Amino acid sequence: ETGVTQSPTHLIKTRGQQVTLRCSSQSGHNTVSWYQQALGQGPQFIFQYYREEENGRGNFPPRFSGLQFPNYSSELNVNALELDDSALYLCASSARRENSPLHFGNGTRLTVT
Amino acid sequence: GQQLNQSPQSMFIQEGEDVSMNCTSSNIFNTWLWYKQDPGEGPVLLIALYKAGELTSNGRLTAQFGITRKDSFLNISASIPSDVGIYFCAGQGPNIIQGAQKLVFGQGTRLTINP
Repeated sequence: ETGVTQSPTHLIKTRGQQVTLRCSSQSGHNTVSWYQQALGQGPQFIFQYYREEENGRGNFPPRFSGLQFPNYSSELNVNALELDDSALYLCASSARRENSPLHFGNGTRLTVT
Repeated sequence: GQQLNQSPQSMFIQEGEDVSMNCTSSNIFNTWLWYKQDPGEGPVLLIALYKAGELTSNGRLTAQFGITRKDSFLNISASIPSDVGIYFCAGQGPNIIQGAQKLVFGQGTRLTINP
């Protein structure tokens, strides 16, 4: 069974730039969620995708957007990067049924300078 | 953003000691989860709890889903060096029919073990 994989592992961007992070879900999972984890904090829910559509969103501005593809993989796009966007971005996948817990990837560490 | 109240924030213990941490919320959750995160890695699921009052064990780990559905605890017995890391509780709210499988996390408990 292949777990959740994310790329790249690390990324450095300049304020104002745009970034795309990628995620492959665990085999058998059809739902993908994205979380932002600032240093020393717990992860914060950004949004979730199911059937290639956004299905729930946390308190993040529209410059955070995403995509889900037919093979259930996903992208997180962030436009107009700000210094506070520096964080670990975690992707999690699950099956869309009751009692299906989220399984996380190892994240992408984004640094905005 | 919304977070659960997790305590303690950090623990320094001797190898072999038992550990207890807990999480409380002002909101009701349908599911409580406990994750462990090592440096440079994502959270790894330890225990999932689905019913109020449920007590579940996974090896040396034991967790309970509070009767009020607003709290949970995690115990680790006879700690060993590989238990070092950050432990997070997470609550999952509305079921998938009503909305996203959104998790709300605590701020974490950092466990340090002296050999």
